[in-house]
Amino acid sequence: QEQLVESGGGVVQPGRSLRLSCAASGFSLSNNALHWVRQAPGKGLEWVAFISFDGSHTYYVDSVKGRFTISRDNSKNTLFLQMNSLRPEDTAVYFCATDRKYYFEHWGQGTLVTVSS
Amino acid sequence: EIVLTQSPATLSLSPGDTATLSCRASQSVSRFLAWYQQKPGQAPRLLIYDASNRAPGVPARFSGSGSWTDFTLTISSLEPGDFGVYYCQQRSVWPPLTFGGGTKVEIK
Repeated sequence: QEQLVESGGGVVQPGRSLRLSCAASGFSLSNNALHWVRQAPGKGLEWVAFISFDGSHTYYVDSVKGRFTISRDNSKNTLFLQMNSLRPEDTAVYFCATDRKYYFEHWGQGTLVTVSS
Repeated sequence: EIVLTQSPATLSLSPGDTATLSCRASQSVSRFLAWYQQKPGQAPRLLIYDASNRAPGVPARFSGSGSWTDFTLTISSLEPGDFGVYYCQQRSVWPPLTFGGGTKVEIK
């Protein structure tokens, strides 16, 4: 059964860091480009970051550029999102998703990040 | 950045009805538009990509149409499991990939 499972969310103070992981089971991530998408409580969806299948290309929404870093370890079948200098407006459920022609095909269940003092 | 505007914000319908959801882009996206369904507490699910192609496993009751700036998602013979929030998303000009604000389909 193909599954994506995010982890690493939690409550963090503004200005601190957090690292999210997205582990795949039942299939290999190595042939897939991947994304992070977030959803603030009660709000809509916002694309956050993209990484190509081999990690050679990455793109970010402007609001996280310079603060967030997307990376992957294909040997561990895992995607990461390093989030630094967190702000209250980063509070959201973060989903990882596989890429299908720059659409989002398979999604994880999400992990909640709360930035609050 | 391409802005997607969805209407209506809320659609109140009964099982068996037909739902018609609209997504309008601030500039042409050709046919590079997708639709997603999200139920409460769940991740979104890809329904339609490239304006009119159903994703694997999506029932034929879901159909997409449109091009350039105006797109429609039609759900015929609504079933109880179809109620939720629907989002459109464009991939024509990016970054950033952008979503519409969503249309909630609720039971009347």
